[in-house]
This record gives sequence, structure tokens and C-alpha cells, in this order.
Amino acid sequence: LAKTTQPISMDSYEGQEVNITCSHNNIATNDYITWYQQFPSQGPRFIIQGYKTKVTNEVASLFIPADRKSSTLSLPRVSLSDTAVYYCLVGDMKNNQGGKLIFGQGTELSVKP
Amino acid sequence: NAGVTQTPKFRVLKTGQSMTLLCAQDMNHEYMYWYRQDPGMGLRLIHYSVGEGTTAKGEVPDGYNVSRLKKQNFLLGLESAAPSQTSVYFCASSQIGAGANVLTFGAGSRLTVL
Repeated sequence: LAKTTQPISMDSYEGQEVNITCSHNNIATNDYITWYQQFPSQGPRFIIQGYKTKVTNEVASLFIPADRKSSTLSLPRVSLSDTAVYYCLVGDMKNNQGGKLIFGQGTELSVKP
Repeated sequence: NAGVTQTPKFRVLKTGQSMTLLCAQDMNHEYMYWYRQDPGMGLRLIHYSVGEGTTAKGEVPDGYNVSRLKKQNFLLGLESAAPSQTSVYFCASSQIGAGANVLTFGAGSRLTVL
């Protein structure tokens, strides 16, 4: 099971781009990389998922280098409402070893005016 | 669609009491999970299930039991509650295939053990 490491906390200002990097040195061939956002007193919610290179959706981009040992979540022009904890999750669900999805400690992002 | 529904939302127990948390999903998802989150901490996997009738241990399974008798339901039981089990419990589900890592979480169940 790939273990993930993220910065504990980050600070930013409104309108800036924020990049959060997750390290997963022992990622396996079949592993996907998924990012979640969690607000206080709520369950995490899915942001974006990728396997390699770059993925973009309406809220974020995910950059994955060729060796896949890390990934970077990019949030463009953050606002106060982006203040939350962000989790990187790595796991393979394609066989009976799948299902044991372990979250890392997450990154607490604080966006200031 | 309701998604993932957890009941109850809040519960206070005395040490030694037992209780069951219910998780229900209406998305026909194959996989279901129970996590706990202590104040200011990350999510820790308690138990999970890869299909009806199956369960497996996660990171912190001691003191908990689970059952998945029906595909849509995943029950988490505490046989003898302890203060260390005071936490917020989150249930999640996901489907087989490329979206299997895309977990849909419930709103959480806040449990206090006195």
C-alpha cells in the first residue's frame, strides 16, 4: 500500500494559485491518485483523480510526473471558501487487495483576505 | 438520490454500553468503508467491505465489529464503548473499476463516550 506524505499546513491569499504536493514513493503500477477536500464538520468530498501526466476539471488541476512518485494539486485563484483540509489518496481497487484505502494526514489550507 | 446516509447523527454513550451505527447507500456501490476522525486529526480506516457478505480490517479495527448483510448497508458496532472511541465516524462507498477510489462520504456520526 502506497503511503502518502503532505505538508501539514499552507497559507495563501485570495486570488493566488495554490499548489499542494503529495509524495507517494512506493506507488504501484495500478494505483490511481485521488484528492479530496474536507470542510469542518463535513465528510470529505472528491476533487480530482488521475493516473499520469495532467488532469484538469472545473475546480482544480492535477499534475503527475512520469515517475509518479509525487503529485501536485493546483487550485487556481483561491478564495476564502477554499479554506479546508486537502487529502491525497493512493490506492488500487482492481483486485482483492483493493479496498484498504488509507488516508494521509492531509494539508490544512488557510486562505486569507 | 440521497447518496450515503448515516444514522444516528449524534449519540452519547456511557462507558460499557453498546450501539450500532448504520450506513446506507443508494448508488449500488460495491465497496463500503468506515473511518473515524478524532479532533484535528486525519481519517483512520476502521473496517471496509468489498462486497455483500464480506468485511475486512482496516488500520484501527480493535473494539469494533461490522456486518454487510445487504449490499446497500454497512453496520458498525461497538460492543463495549470506551472513552477512547469518542470520535466522528464517517461512512463512505465507491464502485468497482476506474472510479473505485472516488469515495462518496456520509455526513458523519458524532459519538461521545462518557
